Amino acid sequence: QVHLVESGGGVVRPGGSLRLSCAASGFTFSDYYMSWIRQAPGKGLEWVGYISKSSASKSYADSVKGRFTLSRDNADNSLYLQMDNLSVADTAIYYCTRGSGPPDYWGQGTLVAVSS
Amino acid sequence: QSVLTQPPSASGTPGQTVTISCSGSSSNIGSNALNWYQQFPGTAPKLVIYNDARRPSGVPDRFSGSKSGTSASLAISGLRSEDEADYYCAAWDDIVSGPVFGGGTKLTVL
Repeated sequence: QVHLVESGGGVVRPGGSLRLSCAASGFTFSDYYMSWIRQAPGKGLEWVGYISKSSASKSYADSVKGRFTLSRDNADNSLYLQMDNLSVADTAIYYCTRGSGPPDYWGQGTLVAVSS
Repeated sequence: QSVLTQPPSASGTPGQTVTISCSGSSSNIGSNALNWYQQFPGTAPKLVIYNDARRPSGVPDRFSGSKSGTSASLAISGLRSEDEADYYCAAWDDIVSGPVFGGGTKLTVL
């Protein structure tokens, strides 16, 4: 049974940084691209970025390019999202998802609130 | 402004069939598979249709998907109160080089 569990969310000041983690289980993590998708309060879904199986390839949405960095540890079945220079517009629930395209599995999400 | 266009709301009475539309372009729906997701308040989205019309294990056959050209539809037949949720469509976009989503449709069961 696929299980994705995010952690690391919280409240941060504008301009600050936060690192999200996602623990994966129930499937061979190293066989899959992984992604982050976010949802601002009361809003729709927005793709943030994806990372390839070996970390060789990464792609980001224009809204986060240059500020967010995806990484993964296949030995530990973990996915990470380093978020720097955060702005109020980054306030959202961040979901860890399986695949690079529209995902089949989602984690429960972790809330990131950027506020002064 | 979402890349894929969905009506913001839809409604129906128990037992009815409701259809939710999703419109895109040649770079997304027109050339790539489409998924539909169901989301209840405070929970993560759940896949209900993938590859345009396939149902994951455990999803009732009351849910069906179809696609034609650059538009797609989700139909829910025999509507039940527990179907009341937000529904999102999503597809890979060749220009964005990532998945794009509809703005979501809030389904109300009257």
